[in-house]
Amino acid sequence: AQTVTQSQPEMSVQEAETVTLSCTYDTSESDYYLFWYKQPPSRQMILVIRQEAYKQQNATENRFSVNFQKAAKSFSLKISDSQLGDAAMYFCAYRFTGNQFYFGTGTSLTVIP
Amino acid sequence: NAGVTQTPKFRILKIGQSMTLQCAQDMNHNYMYWYRQDPGMGLKLIYYSVGAGITDKGEVPNGYNVSRSTTEDFPLRLELAAPSQTSVYFCASSLGTGVYYGYTFGSGTRLTVV
Repeated sequence: AQTVTQSQPEMSVQEAETVTLSCTYDTSESDYYLFWYKQPPSRQMILVIRQEAYKQQNATENRFSVNFQKAAKSFSLKISDSQLGDAAMYFCAYRFTGNQFYFGTGTSLTVIP
Repeated sequence: NAGVTQTPKFRILKIGQSMTLQCAQDMNHNYMYWYRQDPGMGLKLIYYSVGAGITDKGEVPNGYNVSRSTTEDFPLRLELAAPSQTSVYFCASSLGTGVYYGYTFGSGTRLTVV
């Protein structure tokens, strides 16, 4: 079975500081993608960043970067220079060839001014 | 740039009533999906479609039906609503099924069954 685990239901960070959100997954597949989605209070799911499993280099999108440890099946999200607009629920998701994403239960991030 | 449009945004149903959640996308995506999000949980796949006229069940299809008569529209039908169907429903679409493709999500429908 494919599972995605986010062990931190809630996190908080001071504005301008850095925070890391954890995600682990379980799979027997070798070719897959990992994603982080952001869900602000508007409920809109927004793609933050994605990582190809076959790439060793960690993905980066502006202030967002990942630490992908394939052997450990770990995929953490680092947010640098946190901004008030980063406050949201963050979901880690996994997808291999096929139609379904598998989502974690989410981490609620609060940004403290 | 509409993307994926869901209507309504909120709805309250009485037990036993029926309703249809609408989903439309204007990106010419073949693949469309319905997920539900329960409090404190991730998204669970209800149904999906790989093109007009083709649908299939996901993880939690019981109590729901779908149809896909056009590429653009993928409505979700609830028959005989039950309190267990109280949830937030998301429609999503994707250009392909290769692992590269992410989803484009609608803004969700919050449904309460009382």
